[in-house]
Amino acid sequence: SQQGEEDPQALSIQEGENATMNCSYKTSINNLQWYRQNSGRGLVHLILIRSNEREKHSGRLRVTLDTSKKSSSLLITASRAADTASYFCATDRGGGYQKVTFGTGTKLQVIP
Amino acid sequence: DTGVSQNPRHKITKRGQNVTFRCDPISEHNRLYWYRQTLGQGPEFLTYFQNEAQLEKSRLLSDRFSAERPKGSFSTLEIQRTEQGDSAMYLCASSSSSPYNEQFFGPGTRLTVL
Repeated sequence: SQQGEEDPQALSIQEGENATMNCSYKTSINNLQWYRQNSGRGLVHLILIRSNEREKHSGRLRVTLDTSKKSSSLLITASRAADTASYFCATDRGGGYQKVTFGTGTKLQVIP
Repeated sequence: DTGVSQNPRHKITKRGQNVTFRCDPISEHNRLYWYRQTLGQGPEFLTYFQNEAQLEKSRLLSDRFSAERPKGSFSTLEIQRTEQGDSAMYLCASSSSSPYNEQFFGPGTRLTVL
């Protein structure tokens, strides 16, 4: 079963605009990660945030984590057509367990 | 670093047949994972290997599914007596022993059961 849900399910924006995707999860986590999947391809790891971190940046990506609300957000600034993809959050609970549980994904379309 | 590779990329089979998929992880990675992904959904965890030991298995992995990693390098996933509900993308990922568990995914094997 899916651990998390991404919101919105689909998002369409103009090139240059910012895109924000949210992820909510159900149980305590150790790490939360964001992945991108282009149509018909494998997943690419974007960024990882640990449960004791609140915000992390990587290039045009900004991730926040609120463990009290069991939610995370991914912000892509100055979007490009190449950012068109599905974005998934994924969580693990640590404690020696390696199982990573993915959310349902947000489908982002960036219109040139 | 050639990344994670999976073979075949596509497999079409008839219901009731057995199929086997192969995953070659990044060479220095000792952890290997199998996931299943259906259309419009995120990947669902199936199983995890640390070297050759299968340490975690999902309840999704029915007794028709078996995975092996005999020498701690490549892995195979076999589905026996395939059913139409097995149609999905099967993804393999590998990672190092880092506690942060960043996984590198292969391109997947798309299975269609007719």
